[in-house]
Amino acid sequence: EADIYQTPRYLVIGTGKKITLECSQTMGHDKMYWYQQDPGMELHLIHYSYGVNSTEKGDLSSESTVSRIRTEHFPLTLESARPSHTSQYLCASSEIRGGAEREGGNEQFFGPGTRLTVL
Amino acid sequence: KNQVEQSPQSLIILEGKNCTLQCNYTVSPFSNLRWYKQDTGRGPVSLTIMTFSENTKSNGRYTATLDADTKQSSLHITASQLSDSASYICVVTDRGSTLGRLYFGRGTQLTVWP
Repeated sequence: EADIYQTPRYLVIGTGKKITLECSQTMGHDKMYWYQQDPGMELHLIHYSYGVNSTEKGDLSSESTVSRIRTEHFPLTLESARPSHTSQYLCASSEIRGGAEREGGNEQFFGPGTRLTVL
Repeated sequence: KNQVEQSPQSLIILEGKNCTLQCNYTVSPFSNLRWYKQDTGRGPVSLTIMTFSENTKSNGRYTATLDADTKQSSLHITASQLSDSASYICVVTDRGSTLGRLYFGRGTQLTVWP
């Protein structure tokens, strides 16, 4: 089982609250990712990072922000939660290894996810 | 447009039976294709990975096939167990992306009944 952790697992909050979803990995991976997944739908990349002090926006526009101050930690923050933010948020990480990187195929290891409900 | 399409959307089978899930993709250039298993309320876990030159790979009761010419893959599950109930997601990597861009299917929701 992958050593990547997310907290909280479930969160129910009211509109307008600021929240931070935590993600940590102990594998020393440089790359980390945040995905959003709605029931029965595909995962959508919302943020990613190549390493410390690197953050990029993904394919799906998101009002959330991320930071990468330490290799192992990649928190996601919503300044003012809205009902439209209700979703499952999955964190993942991967490493870069010579041949595998050229193939672009390093496995992404996923955390258990945070189920967010905004009332 | 790069896409990954999976069928069926959902499937119910009896314990002990076999089943096959399908994945068609248009991602190009192609790097590899993975099948992930996602239990309810959990993150996806990789089952198999196949590169361009591979056309079959097994992992226990799971066997994946790949036809890179027709851009099709299948996941065959043998002698299903109750614990196989999950969503099975086909994921294709874009070789042309430095990020190793992943394209996800919507998954096939498999339910195994006793």
